[in-house]
Amino acid sequence: DADVTQTPRNRITKTGKRIMLECSQTKGHDRMYWYRQDPGLGLRLIYYSFDVKDINKGEISDGYSVSRQAQAKFSLSLESAIPNQTALYFCATSDPSKDEITQYFGPGTRLTVL
Amino acid sequence: AQSVTQLGSHVSVSEGALVLLRCNYSSSVPPYLFWYVQYPNQGLQLLLKYTTGATLVKGINGFEAEFKKSETSFHLTKPSAHMSDAAEYFCAVDSWGKLQFGAGTQVVVTP
Repeated sequence: DADVTQTPRNRITKTGKRIMLECSQTKGHDRMYWYRQDPGLGLRLIYYSFDVKDINKGEISDGYSVSRQAQAKFSLSLESAIPNQTALYFCATSDPSKDEITQYFGPGTRLTVL
Repeated sequence: AQSVTQLGSHVSVSEGALVLLRCNYSSSVPPYLFWYVQYPNQGLQLLLKYTTGATLVKGINGFEAEFKKSETSFHLTKPSAHMSDAAEYFCAVDSWGKLQFGAGTQVVVTP
C-alpha cells in the first residue's frame, strides 16, 4: 500500500462549491504539506504543518484552508471554488527528526473547477 | 529568500545520448538540494538529493548531479538516455523545511 494517499484522485466541481481534498500517510511523519502544480510554474506551497498543533500559510494560501486532524491526516479545503483553482494538488510528508528531510509525495488530486 | 531556476522548459534528447538538465539556485544558507521526477499521471519521485559531504551525488536510474557552490548550480546528468526517462524533472531547494521548486523541465526521448 502507498505511504501517502490522496482522495479523491480526480474531481470536477462548479464555481462556488465547497470542496475538501484529503491526505493520509502511514509513514509516521510529523510534517505535512499541500502544494499545487500548474503548467510552467512548478509546484507552489499552499499550507504546511510541522506537527498536529502547527499550521502555517505557504506562498499561495488565499482561497484555501486546512485542517490537521491527526498526525496522519491533513485536509485541504476550498471554501468557494473558482476556475483558477483548477490544478493538480499534491500532499507531501517529511520528518527531519527521523533523519527524513526528503519530502514524500502522494499521487495527486486533479481538480477542475467549471 | 531561496529560489530555483531551471534552464529550458523542454529538452529533447536521442536515445543513448547524454541527458543534461540545468538548475541554478539562490540561497542565503548552505542549501539542501533535490531533483524529483514526475512520470505521466503520477506523483513526484525523488531522484537524488544533496545535503552535505560529497558534491557528486548519485541517484536512481543512473542519474547523478553535482553541487557547485561557486556556480550556485546543481545540474542533473545521465550518460545515456533511455526511452523510460521521458518525464518532467523538477529541481528544488529546501528553505527552512519547505521546498522551493523550479518550473520544471519536460524531457522527450526520441528513438
